[in-house]
Amino acid sequence: AQSVAQPEDQVNVAEGNPLTVKCTYSVSGNPYLFWYVQYPNRGLQFLLKYITGDNLVKGSYGFEAEFNKSQTSFHLKKPSALVSDSALYFCAVILTSGNTPLVFGKGTRLSVIA
Amino acid sequence: EAQVTQNPRYLITVTGKKLTVTCSQNMNHEYMSWYRQDPGLGLRQIYYSMNVEVTDKGDVPEGYKVSRKEKRNFPLILESPSPNQTSLYFCATLGGTEQYFGPGTRLTVT
Repeated sequence: AQSVAQPEDQVNVAEGNPLTVKCTYSVSGNPYLFWYVQYPNRGLQFLLKYITGDNLVKGSYGFEAEFNKSQTSFHLKKPSALVSDSALYFCAVILTSGNTPLVFGKGTRLSVIA
Repeated sequence: EAQVTQNPRYLITVTGKKLTVTCSQNMNHEYMSWYRQDPGLGLRQIYYSMNVEVTDKGDVPEGYKVSRKEKRNFPLILESPSPNQTSLYFCATLGGTEQYFGPGTRLTVT
């Protein structure tokens, strides 16, 4: 069965500094990988996805993520954090076969401090 | 506009009183699912449906029912709600590799 781990419940970073939110996955086949963001009292918003091709994926709001097959990781990054990036971030995986459900990590709360 | 709608958005009810949370999508997606979100536990899948009349249990199906009589609707039914089902619920669809979420339903069971 596939699973996703987000090892950090909370990440704190100063505004203007680079940020990384970690995600590792475990699947028995080829994965599609996603990042979602949830702002307070809001639903989930799609940030970016890895399907195939270039391992570095660029998404919304200046975020990017790097797919690393050997380390089974898909860490979310941004070169310069904004206070408005403070939110809850979820990593998710689904097998490319498509006949399996989307599995989410437990989420990482990002706090960007001015 | 691609949309997933849920109703109601907020609901306070009492233990044992049956309720239904509706979910509707306008994208003709075959795959639909329900999640609950709880602090420290992330999103956990309750049920999912690959197509009309095809439903499967997710990670936390106990205490819930679903039906998929038509492609656009995927209601979540709590036959006898209990306080441990107090949570934030999201309906979602998957079209290809794009997943779309509803706005969420905050349910409180007293």
